[in-house]
Amino acid sequence: SQQGEEDPQALSIQEGENATMNCSYKTSINNLQWYRQNSGRGLVHLILIRSNEREKHSGRLRVTLDTSKKSSSLLITASRAADTASYFCATDARGTGRRALTFGSGTRLQVQP
Amino acid sequence: DTEVTQTPKHLVMGMTNKKSLKCEQHMGHRAMYWYKQKAKKPPELMFVYSYEKLSINESVPSRFSPECPNSSLLNLHLHALQPEDSALYLCASSQDNRERFFGPGTRLTVL
Repeated sequence: SQQGEEDPQALSIQEGENATMNCSYKTSINNLQWYRQNSGRGLVHLILIRSNEREKHSGRLRVTLDTSKKSSSLLITASRAADTASYFCATDARGTGRRALTFGSGTRLQVQP
Repeated sequence: DTEVTQTPKHLVMGMTNKKSLKCEQHMGHRAMYWYKQKAKKPPELMFVYSYEKLSINESVPSRFSPECPNSSLLNLHLHALQPEDSALYLCASSQDNRERFFGPGTRLTVL
């Protein structure tokens, strides 16, 4: 079953603009991860944020985590056409002892050149 | 080598065929995973191997049979599949419970 829901489901922006994607989840987590997937290909890990962290940066990516609201956001600044892809959040549930990363529904990002 | 490889890239099979998907990693990761992904949907976990032992089977039908011959290899044996099993099958590996490294996937079509 899906742990997370993401919004928007689809996002279309112009090159140079910022893109923000949101993820909500249901259970307590050890960490939350963001992945990117180009059409029909494998997923690429972007960033991992631990449950005791509130914000993390990696290049043009900024991730926030609010465990009280069970939500996270991914901000891509100064977007490029090459950022066009689907973006998924994924949660590692706490306390289950399972290596079961559960993916959200995903946001399809289209960056127009 | 930070790559997970999967073969074949594409597979078309009939409902009576037996085929296998293969996955390989040489990063020393002790956990390996099979995911199934339908179009415009997130990946769904099928199986998890931890230290070459099956630790999670997410109620997957027995027509899918995983195998982990050694710490670098993961197979998925397919038999008597249904057309609704057509999907992208993704293999991944990880060291402990951190980021997953995904392969490029096998696009499976069942006729």
